Amino acid sequence: TQLLEQSPQFLSIQEGENLTVYCNSSSVFSSLQWYRQEPGVGPVLLVTVVTGGEVKKLKRLTFQFGDARKDSSLHITAAQPGDTGLYLCAGGNSGNTPLVFGKGTRLSVIA
Amino acid sequence: EPEVTQTPSHQVTQMGQEVILHCVPISNHLYFYWYRQILGQKVEFLVSFYNNEISEKSEIFDDQFSVERPDGSNFTLKIRSTKLEDSAMYFCASKLPLRTPLHFGNGTRLTVT
Repeated sequence: TQLLEQSPQFLSIQEGENLTVYCNSSSVFSSLQWYRQEPGVGPVLLVTVVTGGEVKKLKRLTFQFGDARKDSSLHITAAQPGDTGLYLCAGGNSGNTPLVFGKGTRLSVIA
Repeated sequence: EPEVTQTPSHQVTQMGQEVILHCVPISNHLYFYWYRQILGQKVEFLVSFYNNEISEKSEIFDDQFSVERPDGSNFTLKIRSTKLEDSAMYFCASKLPLRTPLHFGNGTRLTVT
């Protein structure tokens, strides 16, 4: 069974601070997706990384896929209250097989 | 932008009752999924559906669960005899083939009392 461990589980920071959250596995995935989920709505895809060592940027968010495709990180620069939410990583294998989700990191950014 | 639509947003039912959760996937998508998320726990895969049949299911998806695509637009999840532990958010998702994004609906919160 493939598992994804996310850390930290909870993170509370002040507006303007930087942060990094991690997603680790002992298994290799062909792709790694990051989602953000707010209360009462479904997860919304932020990014997909597919190549070992790949780095993608989405405004103040930087996503990295580990060289061995077993882990990933999400770095947020100058966090804002609007970044508050549950950040989920999900690993994929071949194109249409079900995703494996981590438990998520619940981020709270305080103004 | 097209969305996955789920109804109802909240369903309360008594233990032992049957429930049907409804989903309308994005119209040109071909792969359909149900996931669930028990409060405070991770999103868990239940079942995937392609070409009018189940393509994969998890251990959670036992004989009490079934899925149907009764017409060209709806994708339903039925729980025959609900248990307290079935209380969760149920998410429907759909996608195009291969490495394309998975689009989630906003979920149905099922509460079994």
